[in-house]
Amino acid sequence: QVQLQESGPGLVKPSQTLSLTCTVSGGSISSGSYYWSWIRQPAGKGLEWIGRIYTSGSTNYNPSLKSRVTISVDTSKKQFFLKLSSVTAADTAVYYCARVLVAAGGWVEWFDPWGQGTLVTVSS
Amino acid sequence: DIQMTQSPSSLSASVGDRVTITCRASQSISSYLNWYQQKPGKAPKPLIHAASSLQSGVPSRFSGSGSGTDFTLTISSLQPEDFATYYCQQSYSTPSFGPGTKVDIK
Repeated sequence: QVQLQESGPGLVKPSQTLSLTCTVSGGSISSGSYYWSWIRQPAGKGLEWIGRIYTSGSTNYNPSLKSRVTISVDTSKKQFFLKLSSVTAADTAVYYCARVLVAAGGWVEWFDPWGQGTLVTVSS
Repeated sequence: DIQMTQSPSSLSASVGDRVTITCRASQSISSYLNWYQQKPGKAPKPLIHAASSLQSGVPSRFSGSGSGTDFTLTISSLQPEDFATYYCQQSYSTPSFGPGTKVDIK
């Protein structure tokens, strides 16, 4: 079964760029049936969708983060990536990667499975 | 943006209770609504997609209903492993989640 694992620095300085990698195992990242997504959750708070990438490489981002976010993919390594620039303390959160399943002609999208999450703290 | 709200924000219940959680969208989202369960320190787990379709492996005591703007998640007989936080998520437009409903032990 497909498993996802996030990796990257746990501490990032303010104004710098947060960079995370999600490694997919147990299945193909190149299947046209799936998208791949990043979601974050500040401590004790709710979930915020960051963006998604299609197997073609095309992306969609949360408008609230769009100016600072880049998601990319390396299918040969079965990895996709998140870069978030100009970070502040408000970007401190657990970051999750997830596979996106679709139904109903693409209208229904849900996240399954999820990685275990990685805590990124923004602090000097 | 579509705003999602959930009620209640928290509830206390006993094993065996019937529990209902409500999710409301700020505009019609048809049936493009999913539910997740999250336990402390763990990633969310999908329970229901498309408002009422139970994920494989999820116990049948969980059910979902609704369309348009109003949706419900029902746990017919609460079990000890069901104490968790539940989130709804819409996919009609830019995906967004509700603020969550925490279910704890009475």
